[in-house]
Amino acid sequence: DAMVIQNPRYQVTQFGKPVTLSCSQTLNHNVMYWYQQKSSQAPKLLFHYYDKDFNNEADTPDNFQSRRPNTSFCFLDIRSPGLGDAAMYLCATSPRLAGDGEQYFGPGTRLTVT
Amino acid sequence: DAKTTQPPSMDCAEGRAANLPCNHSTISGNEYVYWYRQIHSQGPQYIIHGLKNNETNEMASLIITEDRKSSTLILPHATLRDTAVYYCIVLLLRNQFYFGTGTSLTVIP
Repeated sequence: DAMVIQNPRYQVTQFGKPVTLSCSQTLNHNVMYWYQQKSSQAPKLLFHYYDKDFNNEADTPDNFQSRRPNTSFCFLDIRSPGLGDAAMYLCATSPRLAGDGEQYFGPGTRLTVT
Repeated sequence: DAKTTQPPSMDCAEGRAANLPCNHSTISGNEYVYWYRQIHSQGPQYIIHGLKNNETNEMASLIITEDRKSSTLILPHATLRDTAVYYCIVLLLRNQFYFGTGTSLTVIP
């Protein structure tokens, strides 16, 4: 089945130690998104790629970066994780940027910062 | 940005219809209304979306008022597995989802 895959499902990192979360998709969608979801809160959009074009949300901290080496893969890099970055990180894809394209979410990676 | 307002929580008896309301009074004419749900510790799951007309699929029905300022998601026969947080999202042209606080639906046996 076509799907959005996130690895690992659980990640533990130390305060200040860089960490990379990965997302892959078999849907061949042009758009990929990263969301941050803290405990008991709604998902918050960090940034998205439309093909190779990167679009950062205005309030996304500089500590968060992303890479998309090809259509199938997208990575979220947290350069110096703080305790406040502990959250579920969700990857999503969509076939297009138009307003009628649903987003397909992966299962998420739960990040713990010690 | 168009914002949504939903009640924080609702209960529904198993087998009954669950009607989840959403206000989106600042919606623009070309903005879609989407509904997603999130079961604990999983990624959000698409339910349904619409622009002006009412929509129905195998999961739910979406009723959008004529002025488009509000909508209702209807789960016709709620089951225990429908217990989740339901998000109403008004989608901007660039397909950027801004989630509201959602409604936590509890289906009671």
